[in-house]
Parts: sequence; structure tokens; C-alpha cells
Amino acid sequence: NAGVTQTPKFQVLKTGQSMTLQCAQDMNHEYMSWYRQDPGMGLRLIHYSVGAGITDQGEVPNGYNVSRSTTEDFPLRLLSAAPSQTSVYFCASTPTLRSYNEQFFGPGTRLTVL
Amino acid sequence: SQKIEQNSEALNIQEGKTATLTCNYTNYSPAYLQWYRQDPGRGPVFLLLIRENEKEKRKERLKVTFDTTLKQSLFHITASQPADSATYLCALDTTGKLIFGQGTTLQVKP
Repeated sequence: NAGVTQTPKFQVLKTGQSMTLQCAQDMNHEYMSWYRQDPGMGLRLIHYSVGAGITDQGEVPNGYNVSRSTTEDFPLRLLSAAPSQTSVYFCASTPTLRSYNEQFFGPGTRLTVL
Repeated sequence: SQKIEQNSEALNIQEGKTATLTCNYTNYSPAYLQWYRQDPGRGPVFLLLIRENEKEKRKERLKVTFDTTLKQSLFHITASQPADSATYLCALDTTGKLIFGQGTTLQVKP
């Protein structure tokens, strides 16, 4: 099993550009989520999904879109990048959130918006 | 509003001593609490989970306590080693989402 994979590892964007951060898991997990991590702020939840076709907002959803068309994939879209979105982004998955299981994290994508 | 707080200042201890990290929360009634370790440039890795009806959980040199009255969890690493140096994050389940504290950086000096 590859676990949770994220691409790209690094990305530099200009203000106003769009891009998609990819996340995939091969563990058949129902629950997937996106976090951003900024110095001194910890991990903040952006969006999450409890299964294919179902997504919901976390603490900091503005400026980000998600969709979940398959169990395996959970891409995060930035429609018009802003410097405030410079951060490290982590994708995570777990079988189901109610089953007290650990979350598995991907290696992260470091995004810089100029 | 709901809040999770961990010591923002780094914790520096000598090898062999016990490290104690604190996680406090307000306005939550979590079903469980988790602790993760994060090394620089990597994603967090799960360490321990403790449920609301459990007072204490142990795993090798790690011990976690959970006091739902004080709304606090303590994370202990006994006989600490330089390899334990990392950032430690606590996380709470709330209404179907997992919310993290900001993490405490532990530095164990030889």
C-alpha cells in the first residue's frame, strides 16, 4: 500500500492563478480531509469528506473547493490563489471518523503564492 | 468559541528525564483525543488515542491522561531520548471533524 499520496511536493503560483492539489489513498478509507499548516497555527481543517459524493466545510474553507467523485481521490482546488494561501497543505484519511481510528497523513504540499 | 491550546513555547529537557506536554480545550465534549508526532518537513504520525471514559493510556515509554472535568490531556514521554525531539500535536473529535492544537516542540538534549 502506498498510503496517502500528495502531488506536487512543492508549487509556486502567482496571485490569481488556479491550481489543484492532488490527494489519493489506496486504503479504501471513507473519510478524507485537507488541512493547512502555518507557523504557530497548527493544523487547520479546510474541507472534509465522509464518502464519495459528500463534502463539507472545515474551519477555513474560503478560497478552496473540493469534490469527491471516487473513494480514492480528494483534490483541493484553489480557484484564484492569494498570498494568504501560502502554506503547507496536508491531506489525511481514516476508515471512518466515528470508529476512533488514527488519521493517516500524506507528505504535504508546500505552496508559495507570490 | 471552541479552542484547543498547547504550550506554544518549546520544551527543552535533558536526555533521560520525563517530558510532559499539555493539551487544554474549552467548549468541547470530545468522544476521544489523539496525540500525533510531527518531524520537520513531514506529515503528522499517529501515536495514541484515549477515549472519554479512559483516564490513562500507555504505549511503551508514552503515557497519556485525559481529564474531562479539567478539560485537559497530559502526554508524557519517560526516559526521553534525543530521537524524541519533534513537534507533538493533540487532536479532538468534534461533531464529526478532527481539530488540532498548534503543537508543542520538544527538544531533548544529550
